Amino acid sequence: NAGVTQTPKFQVLKTGQSMTLQCAQDMNHEYMSWYRQDPGMGLRLIHYSVGAGITDQGEVPNGYNVSRSTTEDFPLRLLSAAPSQTSVYFCASSPDRTNTGELFFGEGSRLTVL
Amino acid sequence: GENVEQHPSTLSVQEGDSAVIKCTYSDSASNYFPWYKQELGKRPQLIIDIRSNVGEKKDQRIAVTLNKTAKHFSLHITETQPEDSAVYFCAASRNKFYFGSGTKLNVKP
Repeated sequence: NAGVTQTPKFQVLKTGQSMTLQCAQDMNHEYMSWYRQDPGMGLRLIHYSVGAGITDQGEVPNGYNVSRSTTEDFPLRLLSAAPSQTSVYFCASSPDRTNTGELFFGEGSRLTVL
Repeated sequence: GENVEQHPSTLSVQEGDSAVIKCTYSDSASNYFPWYKQELGKRPQLIIDIRSNVGEKKDQRIAVTLNKTAKHFSLHITETQPEDSAVYFCAASRNKFYFGSGTKLNVKP
C-alpha cells in the first residue's frame, strides 16, 4: 500500500491564482480530511469527508473548496490564492468515520503565495 | 467548538530524564485523545491514544493519562532518548479533531 499520497510537494503561486492539491489513498478509508499547519498553531481542520459524495467544513474552510467523487480521492481547491494561505497542507485519512481512530497523514504540501 | 491548549511550547531535557506534556480541552463531549509525533520535515504519526472510558494507557516508555473531570490529559515519556526529539501534538475529538499548538521536545545527549 502506498498509503496517503499528496501532490505536489511544493508549489509557489501568485496572489489570485488558483490551484488544486491532490490527495489519494489506497486503504479504502471512508474518512478523509485536509489540515493546514502554521508555526505555533498546530494542525487546523479545513474540510473533511466521511464518504463519497459527503463533505463538511472544519475550523478554517474559507477560501478552500473540496469534493469527494470517489472513496480514493479528496482534492483541495484554492480558487483565488492569498498570502494568508501560505502554509503546509496535510491530507489525512482514517478507517473510522466517527473521528475516534488513527489518522494516516500524507507527506504534506508546502504552498507559498506571493 | 472545541479548544485544546497545550503546554509547554518547548521542553528541553537531558537524555534519560522524563518528559511531561500537558493538554486541556473545553468540550466535555470529546471522547478520543490521541498524541502525534512529528519529526522535522515529516508527517505526524500516532504514538499513543486514549478513549474517554480509560484513565491511563501505557506503551513501553510512553504513557498517557486522562482526567475527564478536570478536562486535561498528559503525555509522559520516560528514559528519554535523542530520537525522541520532535514536535508532539495532542488532540481531542468528538466528531472532529482539534489539535493543540504543539510541544518541541529536545533531548540532549
